[in-house]
Amino acid sequence: RKEVEQDPGPFNVPEGATVAFNCTYSNSASQSFFWYRQDCRKEPKLLMSVYSSGNEDGRFTAQLNRASQYISLLIRDSKLSDSATYLCAVNRVNNAGNMLTFGGGTRLMVKP
Amino acid sequence: GAVVSQHPSWVICKSGTSVKIECRSLDFQATTMFWYRQFPKQSLMLMATSNEGSKATYEQGVEKDKFLINHASLTLSTLTVTSAHPEDSSFYICSARGGRQGVMSTDTQYFGPGTRLTVL
Repeated sequence: RKEVEQDPGPFNVPEGATVAFNCTYSNSASQSFFWYRQDCRKEPKLLMSVYSSGNEDGRFTAQLNRASQYISLLIRDSKLSDSATYLCAVNRVNNAGNMLTFGGGTRLMVKP
Repeated sequence: GAVVSQHPSWVICKSGTSVKIECRSLDFQATTMFWYRQFPKQSLMLMATSNEGSKATYEQGVEKDKFLINHASLTLSTLTVTSAHPEDSSFYICSARGGRQGVMSTDTQYFGPGTRLTVL
């Protein structure tokens, strides 16, 4: 089982739709969770951190379910500009220190 | 704040040559830098973690003698792909973590724009 798993998609949705992605992780000791957005041939950009109590940033809501070991990202009122690949990232700790493991990404395509 | 630069942004080289990629944190001190590789339509794969002033820690399956990492200062890390071959063609991305608590998260990684390497 991969450490961090995501449905690769693509999710094809019309403008204005609400879409949700899930990401499961295997390491129950993970403490930090993030969603990144990556546009084609570009670097990932931090979208938002995910807090235990859930958090919202405009049209984006992130939630964490520790019992079931997954995080989610909800996008409301989708815009064309939301089309991208969304990567979840979960921290892990080993002898090299604290680092992130990324999921394979979920591709979102918002259509007019 | 939290700007990371990479140079060059793209490079094309002949098989057998060595390529050096620089990663700089421009407005913060990066105690830790990470090097990733991403093949088309695949996710980021961590290659190695480097802490300033110490040897890099490589992920399983990554050859340390082929991918030389130097993190000599708190703002600069370099990755040298030695004797590059076509299968090394990929998108190489660095990220940096550091900063002062309360000013920026010490847990968040900030990515450079990436370097696209094509080996002919």
